[in-house]
Amino acid sequence: GQQLNQSPQSMFIQEGEDVSMNCTSSSIFNTWLWYKQDPGEGPVLLIALYKAGELTSNGRLTAQFGITRKDSFLNISASIPSDVGIYFCAGQNFGNEKLTFGTGTRLTIIP
Amino acid sequence: GAVVSQHPSWVICKSGTSVKIECRSLDFQATTMFWYRQFPKQSLMLMATSNEGSKATYEQGVEKDKFLINHASLTLSTLTVTSAHPEDSSFYICSARVGSNSPLHFGNGTRLTVT
Repeated sequence: GQQLNQSPQSMFIQEGEDVSMNCTSSSIFNTWLWYKQDPGEGPVLLIALYKAGELTSNGRLTAQFGITRKDSFLNISASIPSDVGIYFCAGQNFGNEKLTFGTGTRLTIIP
Repeated sequence: GAVVSQHPSWVICKSGTSVKIECRSLDFQATTMFWYRQFPKQSLMLMATSNEGSKATYEQGVEKDKFLINHASLTLSTLTVTSAHPEDSSFYICSARVGSNSPLHFGNGTRLTVT
C-alpha cells in the first residue's frame, strides 16, 4: 500500500533553533496534514494543506504542499521546550476518508 | 473545536478476557469514525472504519471477529478486543471528522496492556 516516509527520523536540537522536516510519498495526495503527538496522547492537528504549492502558517509553524503532490515539509521556527514530541505527516485523497500516516519525526530539545 | 473523547485512557486485562473501548464525539455528530493502533515507536495504522448504523470496514490483516466494532449512534463508537492476548497490547486511538472535507480529530488514545 501507500507509504509516507518522513525525514529525519529523529532530531536533537537546542532551544531557539529552527527545525525542518519533510514527508515524501510514492504516490500523490490531494490533502496533506501535519499532526503532533505527545507521549501517551492522541495526535493533534497542526496544519492542513489542500492545494499543491500551498504554503500555510500556524504561529511558528509553516508547512508547504509540494508541487508534485508527492511531498510536504514542516518548519518550526525558534523552537521551545513544548515543541518536543513526534510529528506525523498524513496524506488523504478526495473521495477516500482514510488517512495514510508517515513514519514520524521525533523532536528532542537538548537543554 | 471538535473534541473526540476516549475511555478508558488505559486498561490492564488478563489474557483471554475482553476489553471495550469507547470513542465519543462530544460536540458534533460523526457518521464515520476510525480506529487506529499504534505500537511503541511506530506510526499509526488504520484498523477499521466504523460506520453508524452499518457494519465496520476492516483493513487487510485485521480480524473482524477479534476486534468488534459497534457504531450504534452518531456520537459513539466502541471497539471490543475479544479474547485478548499479550500481542494485542498497544495504543488504540479513535478519530472522527466534523464534515466530509474537514481534517480528522483524534481522541487521547487508550493504552491496553494484556498480561
